[in-house]
Amino acid sequence: DTEVTQTPKHLVMGMTNKKSLKCEQHMGHRAMYWYKQKAKKPPELMFVYSYEKLSINESVPSRFSPECPNSSLLNLHLHALQPEDSALYLCASSQVGLSNYGYTFGSGTRLTVV
Amino acid sequence: AQKITQTQPGMFVQEKEAVTLDCTYDTSDPSYGLFWYKQPSSGEMIFLIYQGSYDQQNATEGRYSLNFQKARKSANLVISASQLGDSAMYFCAMSAPGNQFYFGTGTSLTVIP
Repeated sequence: DTEVTQTPKHLVMGMTNKKSLKCEQHMGHRAMYWYKQKAKKPPELMFVYSYEKLSINESVPSRFSPECPNSSLLNLHLHALQPEDSALYLCASSQVGLSNYGYTFGSGTRLTVV
Repeated sequence: AQKITQTQPGMFVQEKEAVTLDCTYDTSDPSYGLFWYKQPSSGEMIFLIYQGSYDQQNATEGRYSLNFQKARKSANLVISASQLGDSAMYFCAMSAPGNQFYFGTGTSLTVIP
């Protein structure tokens, strides 16, 4: 299994809602990542988990709350988002450490905040 | 901190011709990896090619080759025999110790029939 699966593919939520994005991989990777990508811009790194522990937090607002319950799952909990948070959210996984096998990406969740 | 620069926001190439997409990077780490990804309008991020900082030879994967010039800190992607399906955004990316992985600003490639 060489896939990273993200659900849902599309999500529309109000500014007072609480929702979660889910990412799952079964490649034995122990590093997992969340990226935010606005239209025609590069993905921006948000969080990195290494061995299920948060290793990088790129000063992301607290309305985004990551969680890594086990080595295969990565969640992103969303609360009180703003319209400017509308974007494509990409999950990725890799081996821990410098990896020459690439970083495998999911197909993303397109989030719209209304 | 790592920095990756792609100076070509948009590129056009005639079908069946070759095209070079530029990427320069800056890092103080001696050990790093350079990657190219393709992102079609569907949004998926497709891995194309990898070059390690200690690799002596330029990487090749089918129609893709990476022109790695370490002293100039450049890692340009060459696509040979362009196809209509090559039209997409192309991102250069760099990995560094600590599972850091950052993208350049991207180049939009359009292949003209």
